[in-house]
Amino acid sequence: GAVVSQHPSWVICKSGTSVKIECRSLDFQATTMFWYRQFPKQSLMLMATSNEGSKATYEQGVEKDKFLINHASLTLSTLTVTSAHPEDSSFYICSALGAGLLAKNIQYFGAGTRLSVL
Amino acid sequence: GESVGLHLPTLSVQEGDNSIINCAYSNSASDYFIWYKQESGKGPQFIIDIRSNMDKRQGQRVTVLLNKTVKHLSLQIAATQPGDSAVYFCAESSSGGGNKLTFGTGTQLKVEL
Repeated sequence: GAVVSQHPSWVICKSGTSVKIECRSLDFQATTMFWYRQFPKQSLMLMATSNEGSKATYEQGVEKDKFLINHASLTLSTLTVTSAHPEDSSFYICSALGAGLLAKNIQYFGAGTRLSVL
Repeated sequence: GESVGLHLPTLSVQEGDNSIINCAYSNSASDYFIWYKQESGKGPQFIIDIRSNMDKRQGQRVTVLLNKTVKHLSLQIAATQPGDSAVYFCAESSSGGGNKLTFGTGTQLKVEL
């Protein structure tokens, strides 16, 4: 149980294009999902909190118009990196809060998406 | 802001030995702590968690110890195996923090045969 699927696992795109990353909770409902960014050999940095049916809450310094988040259902949140530039290249990871599970405070993570912007 | 940090960036142990990974936190309001294991190129995997009303919690081959007096958290892995090689992160949250986790810097565990 508590499986989170993230797609795609790796994407290469040209500078100026937009990339959408999907995060799905496969066997539980998640009213809250989180998006993180991770640079090589560094820790996870929270970018935003995604709440089903409402606007995402962004951390300080994260551009909401650059990183669009949509939490359209209880099992799906998407992150769109708009007008991507090489400095956006990173490992993006989502997590889902197991609110419907016994372990409701645990964040379950997807496998991550490696974005490379040329 | 508040931060969670680790004492050792890299820990090398012999297969079969016990491993101890340490973590210090600074937010006195933290009341929930969690350990994750991250293998290269993958997302973090839940290992074990503990609430601030407990000092110790055991899982399968893992034990988490919490010392609130000195704001210290540790993860003990018994009989370390090659498959335990990964980066281990501690993370903390507080009741008023909206379930947001603050991650530590991570410790690379290397298991030598």
